[in-house]
Amino acid sequence: DIVLTQSPDSLAVSLGERATISCKSNQNVLSISNNYNYLAWFQQKPGQPPKLLIYWASTRESGVPDRFSGSGSGTDFTLTIGSLQAEDVALYYCQQYYTFPLTFGGGTKLEIK
Amino acid sequence: QITLKESGRTLVKPTQTLTLTCTFSGFSLNTNGEGVGWIRQPPGKALEWLAAIYWNNNTAYSPSLQSRLSITKEASKNQVLLTMTNMDPVDTATYYCAHRRHLGEGTTLLDYWGQGTLVTVSS
Repeated sequence: DIVLTQSPDSLAVSLGERATISCKSNQNVLSISNNYNYLAWFQQKPGQPPKLLIYWASTRESGVPDRFSGSGSGTDFTLTIGSLQAEDVALYYCQQYYTFPLTFGGGTKLEIK
Repeated sequence: QITLKESGRTLVKPTQTLTLTCTFSGFSLNTNGEGVGWIRQPPGKALEWLAAIYWNNNTAYSPSLQSRLSITKEASKNQVLLTMTNMDPVDTATYYCAHRRHLGEGTTLLDYWGQGTLVTVSS
């Protein structure tokens, strides 16, 4: 199985500041056939299902604010929230869809400092 | 607009079999490329993918749970069923179903999720 390790486990950032979450994979999730990274980011607020933010490691889902961005390739990925807003308080998960079983990172809890 | 909703028993006893139904709208499992997956989340813990089924009846399972899982579809009813046998208290979790976005062969990106249903396993 592909293991995704997120860091940090929790993060406190001031409103308006940048938040950065890391996701490291123990295997490559970059397809050499199409040059796409099979890596997605989800946001989960309390009592709600996960919401897709980013796929192909850096493609923003429709309707997601542009302060959310994804980067990285191969085994190292980053989710960046450019200017933290109060409504961004949530759990964030990375997930690979390169191969079965689909796997998720352990999650990062983002809070306001 | 794609929507999904999970339903089924919310309290099961150890050793019993759980059957959950995912009822969806906005797409058809008779359409090339479509699929539905199941994911669970124990209270306060991370997400765990369980199984997926596709328009062509192909299925995929988590290896660690494959012996206990069965996923089927009733396309005419817009439903997907997940059965899990020999339930244990550690299986207590919120169970979600989600739509598979067709991005190409071999991709299972889960884009739209149901609200989830909390299943408690207790005697």
